[in-house]
Amino acid sequence: DAMVIQNPRYQVTQFGKPVTLSCSQTLNHNVMYWYQQKSSQAPKLLFHYYDKDFNNEADTPDNFQSRRPNTSFCFLDIRSPGLGDAAMYLCATSTPGTSLYNEQFFGPGTRLTVL
Amino acid sequence: QKEVEQNSGPLSVPEGAIASLNCTYSDRGSQSFFWYRQYSGKSPELIMSIYSNGDKEDGRFTAQLNKASQYVSLLIRDSQPSDSATYLCAVKDPSGTYKYIFGTGTRLKVLA
Repeated sequence: DAMVIQNPRYQVTQFGKPVTLSCSQTLNHNVMYWYQQKSSQAPKLLFHYYDKDFNNEADTPDNFQSRRPNTSFCFLDIRSPGLGDAAMYLCATSTPGTSLYNEQFFGPGTRLTVL
Repeated sequence: QKEVEQNSGPLSVPEGAIASLNCTYSDRGSQSFFWYRQYSGKSPELIMSIYSNGDKEDGRFTAQLNKASQYVSLLIRDSQPSDSATYLCAVKDPSGTYKYIFGTGTRLKVLA
């Protein structure tokens, strides 16, 4: 089945220790997104790619970086995790364009714990 | 600032009742609307999309859209305890950014 896959599902890191989260998709969608979601909050968009065109949200901390080496894979790097970065990190994809009918699909998420 | 607003709940309904979840949005140019279900500790799952005024039905779910009132709702008929989750309303940004704007979600509790 076509899907969005995230690894690992759970990640524990220490304060200040860099961590990388990965996302892959078999949907062949051009657009990939990274969201941060904390308890009882809406998903917060960190950045998104249209193909290799990177779009950073204005309020995304510099501590968060991303790479998209090809259509299928996207990575989220947190260079120096703080306690406030503990959250669920969600990868999502959608088809591009101005069509009304572009739907967004989420992977299972990575739960990040910072000790 | 484009906004999507939902009542956070919890909305409690008895098993077998109709649950009605509501969402309002600020950008009058919005054209595409989505409902996601999110179980505790899981990721959002797309359950309905709607693009035209009126009702769209899929099984026990009905999405309703009123663009004049900038209002979209989700009805769940014959609610089951397994429907207990947070329901997120999302609106696609109409300005061509590929972004989706999410509400904070309504927590639904279906009481057995």
